[in-house]
Amino acid sequence: DSGVTQTPKHLITATGQRVTLRCSPRSGDLSVYWYQQSLDQGLQFLIQYYNGEERAKGNILERFSAQQFPDLHSELNLSSLELGDSALYFCASSVGPGRDADTQYFGPGTRLTVL
Amino acid sequence: TQLLEQSPQFLSIQEGENLTVYCNSSSVFSSLQWYRQEPGEGPVLLVTVVTGGEVKKLKRLTFQFGDARKDSSLHITAAQPGDTGLYLCAGAQYSGAGSYQLTFGKGTKLSVIP
Repeated sequence: DSGVTQTPKHLITATGQRVTLRCSPRSGDLSVYWYQQSLDQGLQFLIQYYNGEERAKGNILERFSAQQFPDLHSELNLSSLELGDSALYFCASSVGPGRDADTQYFGPGTRLTVL
Repeated sequence: TQLLEQSPQFLSIQEGENLTVYCNSSSVFSSLQWYRQEPGEGPVLLVTVVTGGEVKKLKRLTFQFGDARKDSSLHITAAQPGDTGLYLCAGAQYSGAGSYQLTFGKGTKLSVIP
């Protein structure tokens, strides 16, 4: 158990819908990262927040947005869902702002299926 | 184009055999990390290598960072069924504002047959 929690575990929805994925980082960790894992693309970095502020942006679509709240939990919002958005979404957390040797602890993931 | 190429993509070996997984790139990384992921779970960090030429050992696993910090390898000696899983390499590159971004390879799926 990494100490990172994600809800829900599974999510099935239809095209065009909007969903929210939730992540609680490990106690004491200030950074939260979101990743998407699909069979063809592998694990792709989406976005990072550090202590409530956006820190780095990766391959995140404009239909996707995220935020980190004062209690440090984070939410990833996915809207206008398409079939291709079906994937595993992971949240990870680290103590620091994302230094090159920082350890990221991954949650168990949310499996999103868009029908 | 994948920034980090891992090979082989799939590997099925008998218990007791040795194996090497490779992670190659044309880009330089400030550090490189290896993760292992099991079905239904998130990746778990195995090791971080920072210095070019660095070698780290973790029991039967040996990790090496290339001299130019563009490639890495993972060698497993006397593989056991418990080593089965998806092995991912990830390179860290500076993304601004004091943060580094991890770029992952697509992984090597290892099956160790008893």
